[in-house]
Amino acid sequence: GESVGLHLPTLSVQEGDNSIINCAYSNSASDYFIWYKQESGKGPQFIIDIRSNMDKRQGQRVTVLLNKTVKHLSLQIAATQPGDSAVYFCAENSGGSYIPTFGRGTSLIVHP
Amino acid sequence: SQTIHQWPATLVQPVGSPLSLECTVEGTSNPNLYWYRQAAGRGLQLLFYSVGIGQISSEVPQNLSASRPQDRQFILSSKKLLLSDSGFYLCAWSVAGGDVSGYTFGSGTRLTVV
Repeated sequence: GESVGLHLPTLSVQEGDNSIINCAYSNSASDYFIWYKQESGKGPQFIIDIRSNMDKRQGQRVTVLLNKTVKHLSLQIAATQPGDSAVYFCAENSGGSYIPTFGRGTSLIVHP
Repeated sequence: SQTIHQWPATLVQPVGSPLSLECTVEGTSNPNLYWYRQAAGRGLQLLFYSVGIGQISSEVPQNLSASRPQDRQFILSSKKLLLSDSGFYLCAWSVAGGDVSGYTFGSGTRLTVV
């Protein structure tokens, strides 16, 4: 469920490093997962999604990994750039529900 | 293509004043519509959602209300704002039914109640 009252965890990386942002979910019926990027003062933007019949999906510089056994989702960003600095949210959804459950978010800070 | 519009982008309102934030979606019909609030440095809190004209579901009882007067229009209102209503308000939409693969957010409204 949502942890709207908690401060966001922070991940600090150096420019050029790879970043890994993790997300745990609890609903074993979840079959669709989304990662969003939210820059300061803006709405969350879709990055990449994955369905439960897959365990890996790649985009441009981003990879999402899904481990259904341990209910874990990760977003990997290759060669992280200062423009990647943002808050990243995962979201999960189970078939038939039109309200995805959002994770608490992780603040990614990229140091030049 | 579908687009979602939110306005205003920023708003400063005195305590006790009314509020009206508007969200519209273009390029689709009968979308599911959502209002979220996000406090600074916090996660997303679902406030209201709507699956059709005049159909509003409230997730959190509070000082706010929502209305959907038209298919692609979603309005967030308050009769009297409280200081605690300050925050970043986001509208979102998805296609009708249970497919949230197109779950898309608007650009948000920063509300400061003074």
